[in-house]
Amino acid sequence: QVQLVQSGPEVQKPGASVKVSCEASGYMFTNYYMHWVRQAPGQGLEWMGIINPSDGSAAHAQNFQGRVTMTRDTSTSTFYMELSSLSPEDTAVYYCARANRMRTWFDPWGQGTLVTVSS
Amino acid sequence: QSALTQPASVSGSPGQSITISCTGTSSDVGGYTYVSWYQQYPGKAPKLMIYDVSERPPGVSYRFSASKSGNTASLTISGLQAEDEADYYCSSYAITNTYVFGTGTKVTVL
Repeated sequence: QVQLVQSGPEVQKPGASVKVSCEASGYMFTNYYMHWVRQAPGQGLEWMGIINPSDGSAAHAQNFQGRVTMTRDTSTSTFYMELSSLSPEDTAVYYCARANRMRTWFDPWGQGTLVTVSS
Repeated sequence: QSALTQPASVSGSPGQSITISCTGTSSDVGGYTYVSWYQQYPGKAPKLMIYDVSERPPGVSYRFSASKSGNTASLTISGLQAEDEADYYCSSYAITNTYVFGTGTKVTVL
């Protein structure tokens, strides 16, 4: 079955960067785009961006332009999301979520990675 | 892209039906048949409940149904059960190849 397994929790200082991984299994890696979504404590879901695993091209939400980098490693079937210039407002659970073929919904989701930004 | 508007909370008694609205614009909900709905329990990842406005994935209860009219999509839960108590989020594909989520609705079973 399709599985997305994310890396463990992170604690970072303001101004630092964080890199979250998402290992995919159970399907052909290059056939499905991957989304990244975050959720601040007690808040709603926020779409961050999407990456094409075939060529590594990505599109980001305007809120994260210039701060987020999405990459993938086809040899290990792993996606990465790196967020730079962290501030306490970036404290959130970060999810990867596979897109369907038409890229119109999100399913399944990884278990989430808590990133805490604190001095 | 602004978040889609959902009511903060909706409640109902067991067996009743409730409806959650999701209001956007012609650039997202109103412009595409790509609205999806997600259920999220505390501390858990969201789960797809409805895709492409009204389609139910395998394994999702028939008690969940959805529709869209103009810029507003709706999710209905019929025969409300205790296990339906969770947060629900809508999502839509939006113009310029972006995606937007709703503000989220907490469903309480009285």
